[in-house]
Amino acid sequence: KQEVTQIPAALSVPEGENLVLNCSFTDSAIYNLQWFRQDPGKGLTSLLLIQSSQREQTSGRLNASLDKSSGRSTLYIAASQPGDSATYLCAGQGGKLIFGQGTELSVKP
Amino acid sequence: GAVVSQHPSRVICKSGTSVKIECRSLDFQATTMFWYRQFPKQSLMLMATSNEGSKATYEQGVEKDKFLINHASLTLSTLTVTSAHPEDSSFYICSARDYRASGLNTDTQYFGPGTRLTVL
Repeated sequence: KQEVTQIPAALSVPEGENLVLNCSFTDSAIYNLQWFRQDPGKGLTSLLLIQSSQREQTSGRLNASLDKSSGRSTLYIAASQPGDSATYLCAGQGGKLIFGQGTELSVKP
Repeated sequence: GAVVSQHPSRVICKSGTSVKIECRSLDFQATTMFWYRQFPKQSLMLMATSNEGSKATYEQGVEKDKFLINHASLTLSTLTVTSAHPEDSSFYICSARDYRASGLNTDTQYFGPGTRLTVL
């Protein structure tokens, strides 16, 4: 059974700091790894999608990497801003999306 | 980009009543839609996969007769919570799969804004 785990569950950092969110998955059969952002009481916003043939994707201050052999993905956020405060979810896709529990990020001004 | 809407965004109902939630893909056709449930401070759990013109596929532990899914057109899927009880209170999110990207392995799901259901 595919499981997706995210560490840490919550993270609080001062504005401007670079940070890394971690995601691990148990099934190497996944073919996509996706990172989402969720604001309180809202739906999901897709941030980055990494296909299994890729190692990383970048969008602005965000960089996501994928290592299928170790079953890990990381989301790197550079120069964090208060507006980055949200819950970040990773999801592995192997036919259907399996979500991790999320990391609740708080960036303090 | 592709947009998925949900209606209503919030609903409060009395225990024992039924509630219908709509999920629409606004600018693309979605042969497959997915329904998720999210409890506070928890992740999204897939409830069922809805395929246009056929019966939905439910995940283990999800009651088919309680959560009725209809996918009658390529742009609309509905989830009806029948005889709702307070434990059904949750955040329900749908997504629609867009096959416009080339290759099955690059298919993308677009998520709706969610529906907050509160059963009194």
